[in-house]
Amino acid sequence: SQQGEEDPQALSIQEGENATMNCSYKTSINNLQWYRQNSGRGLVHLILIRSNEREKHSGRLRVTLDTSKKSSSLLITASRAADTASYFCAFIMNRDDKIIFGKGTRLHILP
Amino acid sequence: EAQVTQNPRYLITVTGKKLTVTCSQNMNHEYMSWYRQDPGLGLRQIYYSMNVEVTDKGDVPEGYKVSRKEKRNFPLILESPSPNQTSLYFCASSPQGNGYTFGSGTRLTVV
Repeated sequence: SQQGEEDPQALSIQEGENATMNCSYKTSINNLQWYRQNSGRGLVHLILIRSNEREKHSGRLRVTLDTSKKSSSLLITASRAADTASYFCAFIMNRDDKIIFGKGTRLHILP
Repeated sequence: EAQVTQNPRYLITVTGKKLTVTCSQNMNHEYMSWYRQDPGLGLRQIYYSMNVEVTDKGDVPEGYKVSRKEKRNFPLILESPSPNQTSLYFCASSPQGNGYTFGSGTRLTVV
């Protein structure tokens, strides 16, 4: 399968803690993106990291990319109840602009 | 407001009755794509289009048709819907190689 694989599939943490989700892929990529999806709604683009970048920040989000290991991680610091959602990694392969999504990590923030 | 608009949001239909789900974007994006989302299977690409009059099959194109006669519109056509096409459908668009903007989704039930 060309799909990315997220790990873990589900994660429950206390509000205020940091949440880390990982994504692995199998092919060389142009860039990797992370999306959030609230239940039954459309995906919202969070952050994009290009293949020549190693780390990127956006507010409470930190994304790393290790192209040698074909993996990425998304860190959400100081989690809030509103962060409860599913998070998907997606990547664009080098050979074309097709985007491949992983199956997602369900994050639940406990009050 | 920059957005991808899908219609309808909800649709219940009977097996074999042709239907069209519309998708329109106002951002002048070249790339548009259709996905279906099913529990445990994540997002799977149905068709995509890299520009006007250019469409390509994604991972699960069987039973679907698309057209891209104008840059802003990318309708999804089910000529003869079947119950296994019951799913949550998303349209998305992007400037090539960048983050995607998703529509709010169409929940289709085929009975």
